[in-house]
Amino acid sequence: DQQVKQNSPSLSVQEGRISILNCDYTNSMFDYFLWYKKYPAEGPTFLISISSIKDKNEDGRFTVFLNKSAKHLSLHIVPSQPGDSAVYFCAAFYGGSQGNLIFGKGTKLSVKP
Amino acid sequence: EAGVAQSPRYKIIEKRQSVAFWCNPISGHATLYWYQQILGQGPKLLIQFQNNGVVDDSQLPKDRFSAERLKGVDSTLKIQPAKLEDSAVYLCASSLVPGGAYNYGYTFGSGTRLTVV
Repeated sequence: DQQVKQNSPSLSVQEGRISILNCDYTNSMFDYFLWYKKYPAEGPTFLISISSIKDKNEDGRFTVFLNKSAKHLSLHIVPSQPGDSAVYFCAAFYGGSQGNLIFGKGTKLSVKP
Repeated sequence: EAGVAQSPRYKIIEKRQSVAFWCNPISGHATLYWYQQILGQGPKLLIQFQNNGVVDDSQLPKDRFSAERLKGVDSTLKIQPAKLEDSAVYLCASSLVPGGAYNYGYTFGSGTRLTVV
């Protein structure tokens, strides 16, 4: 049973436009959520996170929105750049000091010049 | 700050053979994780260590997988015997704060790509 779902395997966006990546979850006990970015042949790198008590967190071109009632979060990238082309993983954390991250399947973003 | 080091980067073995992966976490990071990422899937936790003790190994196929973290620093993940379905990228991650941290998550290594033929 997938607790973190990314239903879009891929997304293609024109350079300069907005990219919106979506993530749904089933467990209301998650403490916080993270987005990771992964380039080929590299490990995932942390991008941005949001606490379950917030509804928005912004860092430069990246903004994450959390809708707890819908159990949905989204990552907005504005403006999108070709270097943003990568696989983006949504991850959720719960369990306190013995907890760990649960990942979605990822969405491959392609930003075309 | 040096990142999480993993070796080898790539490994090809035949089914029923054994293989071992090595991970050296960021200095001072008490928590170490091994994740398995099958092509087209997200990373799945195999085992979590806090110093040299196991915190969670509920998803580790213990009939064939084993892991250790001697002296609470580097770690080794072993598969014996390997099956075709073990083909995946094996990612090691570490974190300073037990259970990870809100503002930076875990730091991952580049992974070991295993192909079982």
